Amino acid sequence: EAQVTQNPRYLITVTGKKLTVTCSQNMNHEYMSWYRQDPGLGLRQIYYSMNVEVTDKGDVPEGYKVSRKEKRNFPLILESPSPNQTSLYFCASSLNRLAGSAQYFGPGTRLTVT
Amino acid sequence: GQNIDQPTEMTATEGAIVQINCTYQTSGFNGLFWYQQHAGEAPTFLSYNVLDGLEEKGRFSSFLSRSKGYSYLLLKELQMKDSASYLCAVLDSWGKFQFGAGTQVVVTP
Repeated sequence: EAQVTQNPRYLITVTGKKLTVTCSQNMNHEYMSWYRQDPGLGLRQIYYSMNVEVTDKGDVPEGYKVSRKEKRNFPLILESPSPNQTSLYFCASSLNRLAGSAQYFGPGTRLTVT
Repeated sequence: GQNIDQPTEMTATEGAIVQINCTYQTSGFNGLFWYQQHAGEAPTFLSYNVLDGLEEKGRFSSFLSRSKGYSYLLLKELQMKDSASYLCAVLDSWGKFQFGAGTQVVVTP
């Protein structure tokens, strides 16, 4: 089944404790992206990647890191999480960055930083 | 940069038609997308426009005017399951996406 998977789905952590949220897609997509969703603000793009070893900042990259060593995986790293990073996170992938290439979203990761 | 505006909430009756407007400003346009998101779930793709005009997909249609920075999503023959948030998203020339805050559509019996 074609899908985007994220792990973990739920995570409660403490300020400053490094964490990684994994994202994997099995559709051989070139484009992958991370978003956070907060009430009233909609989806905001954190980082995106147009192919292996190519990553770019979205609108809200501060406090996050990503890597794209393999085509299928695009982990999101929070080196020192803070409470303002409490949010719902979505990973997405699409065939490429061209118009008409629909994004497929993972199920989401709900992160709470205390 | 980009700025995307859409109404916060709309209410309509089952069987009716609802039109959700989206206006945007972008420094480089590469396409406009509409997504549906049910509460507690991930967004799912509905439609996209890259050229001016109307794209029809069953009960859903989407329209784009690039010169006006304007799009709308038309939902026809509304069903209760259409109660959801509808997200307008713009893709720029550099591969970056920006989403509107979403329009919550409430369908009443």
